[in-house]
Amino acid sequence: GIQVEQSPPDLILQEGANSTLRCNFSDSVNNLQWFHQNPWGQLINLFYIPSGTKQNGRLSATTVATERYSLLYISSSQTTDSGVYFCAVGDNYGQNFVFGPGTRLSVLP
Amino acid sequence: DSGVTQTPKHLITATGQRVTLRCSPRSGDLSVYWYQQSLDQGLQFLIQYYNGEERAKGNILERFSAQQFPDLHSELNLSSLELGDSALYFCASSVYPLGQGLLNTEAFFGQGTRLTVV
Repeated sequence: GIQVEQSPPDLILQEGANSTLRCNFSDSVNNLQWFHQNPWGQLINLFYIPSGTKQNGRLSATTVATERYSLLYISSSQTTDSGVYFCAVGDNYGQNFVFGPGTRLSVLP
Repeated sequence: DSGVTQTPKHLITATGQRVTLRCSPRSGDLSVYWYQQSLDQGLQFLIQYYNGEERAKGNILERFSAQQFPDLHSELNLSSLELGDSALYFCASSVYPLGQGLLNTEAFFGQGTRLTVV
């Protein structure tokens, strides 16, 4: 099945810093989403981005499907950005939606 | 609020027992997915339904079963519970099965059911 890797596994930032999270996947995909899991466990949709670039406030994402990676940019980080960021991809057979292992982000005041 | 409703939010039960977790998808969504997240672990895909039919299975134990009803809500049944089954169980829904390249096949997740087996 499709494999998803994320880097870095852990990231510690000072408030106000910028960061880039990466997601690599092993096969062609027709769906890619980024999620933020907050400290209470809730999974929040950030981006639906199978290709191209999107921006939402301080967050933006880029997926280069031909090279099988996606990037999530967080600018001017805030303590509320802390949590785990997951990338998930859907394979071309519509039968599976696989999550990467996540990047744990800690933003310090 | 994602529009996906899971009940109960918390569940504490003893080993050997059986529980049922319920999921109501977003209005108009035909696909339902179940995931298990053990402590400090990633999300493991369990099973997928589309319009009442099982479509894909992941690492779902034989002690676990699920179904999607005609009104599209889904239930995940966990039996002969073991301590290791303690986890956060998520349900997600989408209009179409993910990965088919159709527009608006974004998945939305419920708040999860936190199961503790003691």
